Amino acid sequence: NAGVTQTPKFQVLKTGQSMTLQCAQDMNHEYMSWYRQDPGMGLRLIHYSVGAGITDQGEVPNGYNVSRSTTEDFPLRLLSAAPSQTSVYFCASLAENTEAFFGQGTRLTVV
Amino acid sequence: RKEVEQDPGPFNVPEGATVAFNCTYSNSASQSFFWYRQDCRKEPKLLMSVYSSGNEDGRFTAQLNRASQYISLLIRDSKLSDSATYLCVASMDSNYQLIWGAGTKLIIKP
Repeated sequence: NAGVTQTPKFQVLKTGQSMTLQCAQDMNHEYMSWYRQDPGMGLRLIHYSVGAGITDQGEVPNGYNVSRSTTEDFPLRLLSAAPSQTSVYFCASLAENTEAFFGQGTRLTVV
Repeated sequence: RKEVEQDPGPFNVPEGATVAFNCTYSNSASQSFFWYRQDCRKEPKLLMSVYSSGNEDGRFTAQLNRASQYISLLIRDSKLSDSATYLCVASMDSNYQLIWGAGTKLIIKP
């Protein structure tokens, strides 16, 4: 049971480049989410999905897009990378009122 | 004001000591609470859920005080391996969304 698989683990982008962070879970969880974590800020919700075909914005959605075509996959797209998007990104999934399972994180640097 | 607030620390504690953290939450509608542990450069992992009656898991005890809107985590006989950041989380049963504190850093010294 792999849990939540998140790729890549590290990425360096130039300002203006786009990329997709991949997230897949094999626990059949309906709810999936993307967070960014910055020093002293805690986890901030970017986008989330309560099921296939349904996505919604979180606290800090600007500059990011998501889609949820299947229950398993929830990719996060950076449309035009900016230095302010330098952060650690975590994908998470959970069933209702249960433990949240996280991917290993992506350390993104935008130069 | 943040919805979930924690003292960022760091708490520097000698091995074997008892240490306690508090976490306050602002939304009185919050129903479920959790403590997560996050090691340096790793993903958060569930440490324990927090029930109204309090709960204990080995050296760890979590308490909920709804009247004062805070939860606490007590670690007894602290080990070097307890060094980590401890994240407090609140959620409402009506949805899946979790509200995270910024974390309290704990350093256990030999």
